[in-house]
Amino acid sequence: GAGVSQSPSNKVTEKGKDVELRCDPISGHTALYWYRQSLGQGLEFLIYFQGNSAPDKSGLPSDRFSAERTGGSVSTLTIQRTQQEDSAVYLCASRPNMGGVYEQYFGPGTRLTVT
Amino acid sequence: QKEVEQNSGPLSVPEGAIASLNCTYSDRVSQSFFWYRQYSGKSPELIMSIYSNGDKEDGRFTAQLNKASQYVSLLIRDSQPSDSATYLCAVRTQGGGGNKLTFGTGTQLKVEL
Repeated sequence: GAGVSQSPSNKVTEKGKDVELRCDPISGHTALYWYRQSLGQGLEFLIYFQGNSAPDKSGLPSDRFSAERTGGSVSTLTIQRTQQEDSAVYLCASRPNMGGVYEQYFGPGTRLTVT
Repeated sequence: QKEVEQNSGPLSVPEGAIASLNCTYSDRVSQSFFWYRQYSGKSPELIMSIYSNGDKEDGRFTAQLNKASQYVSLLIRDSQPSDSATYLCAVRTQGGGGNKLTFGTGTQLKVEL
């Protein structure tokens, strides 16, 4: 079946502009995660959605970052007033809603470059 | 101390050899453990998960877990050049937002002809 999809695959923006990154999880997966990966760094957790529960925003690095998930499916990560340190690959992952199953499946990522 | 630690490598092995990748974690209540493979410029791909102490085998891959030692490893038998990638260890901890994974920074594996 179709995997996690993300768009755009690449985004170049000027410092100070806002950007929106989109994630479409695997059909039927109720849990959705955003991570970012800077060059040579590990994956940094940003935010987690599970069904209709309040999202876990504990990884968002500043209030310039926000995310929403509409209809329990597609999610959008918004970065306002982008800074050069926001340049990274932003990865989305989804997980099925099955008890005892915790495997996450990643999308291809969006490479964000802030100039 | 990092929550999940991996040797960054590169780990070089000859084709056909066994590659052994190691990971230690700091939180004793960690419950679930995962190995992801990440090719350069690509996103992580799940290759193994292990939840219980002992070994779990899937084809050429074997994951080994020792919760008492807080250690998880991945063995790749009959290594192939196509196995050359960065291998990420990820750990899930129960409770307090326990459906998040914490990742190590990865070990780069190079399989040489």
